[in-house]
Amino acid sequence: DVKVTQSSRYLVKRTGEKVFLECVQDMDHENMFWYRQDPGLGLRLIYFSYDVKMKEKGDIPEGYSVSREKKERFSLILESASTNQTSMYLCASVGGGSRGYTFGSGTRLTVV
Amino acid sequence: AQSVTQPDIHITVSEGASLELRCNYSYGATPYLFWYVQSPGQGLQLLLKYFSGDTLVQGIKGFEAEFKRSQSSFNLRKPSVHWSDAAEYFCAVGANSGYALNFGKGTSLLVTP
Repeated sequence: DVKVTQSSRYLVKRTGEKVFLECVQDMDHENMFWYRQDPGLGLRLIYFSYDVKMKEKGDIPEGYSVSREKKERFSLILESASTNQTSMYLCASVGGGSRGYTFGSGTRLTVV
Repeated sequence: AQSVTQPDIHITVSEGASLELRCNYSYGATPYLFWYVQSPGQGLQLLLKYFSGDTLVQGIKGFEAEFKRSQSSFNLRKPSVHWSDAAEYFCAVGANSGYALNFGKGTSLLVTP
């Protein structure tokens, strides 16, 4: 069965810390995405990548960066965590011939 | 730019009753349309998708959706709801099957006995 794995289900970090959220897919997908999900706001796109070492900003990239050194891994980086980045973070991937996104289970990040 | 509107934030239905969740989209060309379901604390699971062809699409768990170009809608339906269907439902639109999706804000479904 195809899988998108997010390394942590729950994470608590302090304000100002540098935070890494990891996402790995085993489907050889080219395209990977990071969304954040907040109550009443739905899912909002942070960053995405269509190939190794490439990245594109989504709708809310401020305060975030990403890294895609290998095809299967797409990392979201919070350079200096702030309380307003407390949220659920969802990673997704889709292949060129695929017909639907596969989502990870999410990482619920709390910044205190 | 693409956008998705789910007019109903919360919906309550009785178990065994029929269900329709509304989704309206804004997009200049033929969109790629999706419905996802999210159970509490979980990621999103794809219910069904529309790319082209037959405008009535069947999905998993007994769900179906109908694409109506004239109304810019892609409503999700189920003839008889089960208690396990209680979840958050998201409609999404994309320009291409592999491109970033725009999601609606979701509809929370509560199923009563």
